[in-house]
Amino acid sequence: AQKITQTQPGMFVQEKEAVTLDCTYDTSDQSYGLFWYKQPSSGEMIFLIYQGSYDEQNATEGRYSLNFQKARKSANLVISASQLGDSAMYFCAMRPNTGNQFYFGTGTSLTVIP
Amino acid sequence: DTEVTQTPKHLVMGMTNKKSLKCEQHMGHRAMYWYKQKAKKPPELMFVYSYEKLSINESVPSRFSPECPNSSLLNLHLHALQPEDSALYLCASSQPHWDSGNTIYFGEGSWLTVV
Repeated sequence: AQKITQTQPGMFVQEKEAVTLDCTYDTSDQSYGLFWYKQPSSGEMIFLIYQGSYDEQNATEGRYSLNFQKARKSANLVISASQLGDSAMYFCAMRPNTGNQFYFGTGTSLTVIP
Repeated sequence: DTEVTQTPKHLVMGMTNKKSLKCEQHMGHRAMYWYKQKAKKPPELMFVYSYEKLSINESVPSRFSPECPNSSLLNLHLHALQPEDSALYLCASSQPHWDSGNTIYFGEGSWLTVV
C-alpha cells in the first residue's frame, strides 16, 4: 500500500524567508514519481515540482526545490524568498510506476506573514 | 493558464435536479480523472478513464455517473445528490503509463453546492 504523510497541518513564515514543508512516503515500488502541488483558496491545484525516484539530483524550479532523501523516503519542498502569494495549501503526491493512481498527502496550510 | 478546462465554475443544485460537470483537456493525455475535495482535505479519487474506458471506480454512489465521449472530454452527470455531496470537484489528466515526468494536471475545479 502507498502512503504519503505530511506532518505539518499549518505553517507560518515571514515574507522573504525560506520555508521547508515536510513529506514522507511509504511504497514498495522501485520506481515512482514525487510531486508537489499548490492550492490557493480559489481551488485550482497547481503543479510545482517533480522528482523521479531514480533522479540523483534534487529537482529545482525557480524558488522551489525538492530535498529528496530516498533512503529516508522523504521529499521535502523548500520555498525560498517567500512571497505573500505563496499562502496556500500544499500537497505532496506520489505516483508509482504501476497503474495511473496518484496518492496525496493530507496537506500543509502555509501562511506568509508580511 | 491551465490546459484542463472545467465548466461550470460554480453550480448550485437542488436534490431533485439533474446537472453535469464538464471537463476538456488539450494536452493529448489519454487518462482523465474526477476527484472530490472537501475543505482543507486532500482530493479523493472518484473515477479514472484510461483510453476512454473506465478503469477505476472508487465505489462512488450511482448518483454520480461519469462519461468520457472522447479522449479530450470528460463529464460527470449528477442526479439526486445529497447536501453532503457539496464539494470542489476537480478534473485532471495525465498520460496513462508512468515514465519520468508523468505529472497529473488539474483544472480549476467546479464548486458544487447541493441545497
